[in-house]
Amino acid sequence: NAGVTQTPKFRVLKTGQSMTLLCAQDMNHEYMYWYRQDPGMGLRLIHYSVGEGTTAKGEVPDGYNVSRLKKQNFLLGLESAAPSQTSVYFCATGRTEAFFGQGTRLTVV
Amino acid sequence: GQQLNQSPQSMFIQEGEDVSMNCTSSSIFNTWLWYKQDPGEGPVLLIALYKAGELTSNGRLTAQFGITRKDSFLNISASIPSDVGIYFCAGHSGGSNYKLTFGKGTLLTVNP
Repeated sequence: NAGVTQTPKFRVLKTGQSMTLLCAQDMNHEYMYWYRQDPGMGLRLIHYSVGEGTTAKGEVPDGYNVSRLKKQNFLLGLESAAPSQTSVYFCATGRTEAFFGQGTRLTVV
Repeated sequence: GQQLNQSPQSMFIQEGEDVSMNCTSSSIFNTWLWYKQDPGEGPVLLIALYKAGELTSNGRLTAQFGITRKDSFLNISASIPSDVGIYFCAGHSGGSNYKLTFGKGTLLTVNP
């Protein structure tokens, strides 16, 4: 029982490159979230999904897109990476209690 | 939007001391959660609170849901070095609101 798994764990991108972060959960949760964590800023919600085929914007959605084609997977895409997107990204699942993955450390140079 | 004020921002204590941290909200929450984040890891849920006035313990940790539903505190008794990390509070207003609001965290350092 892996819970919430994020891939990759680390990545370095050049400005303008694109990439997709994958979150997979085996907890059968409807709700899934993508957060970014920056020093002094806490956890900020990027996008979330309340079920397969649905997505919605969070606090800081600009520059990101998401898809939830399958209940167990939630993908976060960066179409054209910028240095301001250097951060640690966390996926979480659950409604009233959120369970987090181990994070993806992304550096955009 | 909803905001959580978590204090203190950081604490530096000696092993064996008790610790207290709290969160206050500008609005009412139906659920309060406390998380711990170790370096390089994701936040891990420590305690969940669902009723105003509720007091819940998890080992040396005790958390309470404030009567006004706008605050919560977390106490750690007899701290040990492995308590080091960032502690986050989070609140959920329930209903059709699916999103958790997080505090900015309390960085705890324990000196052996």
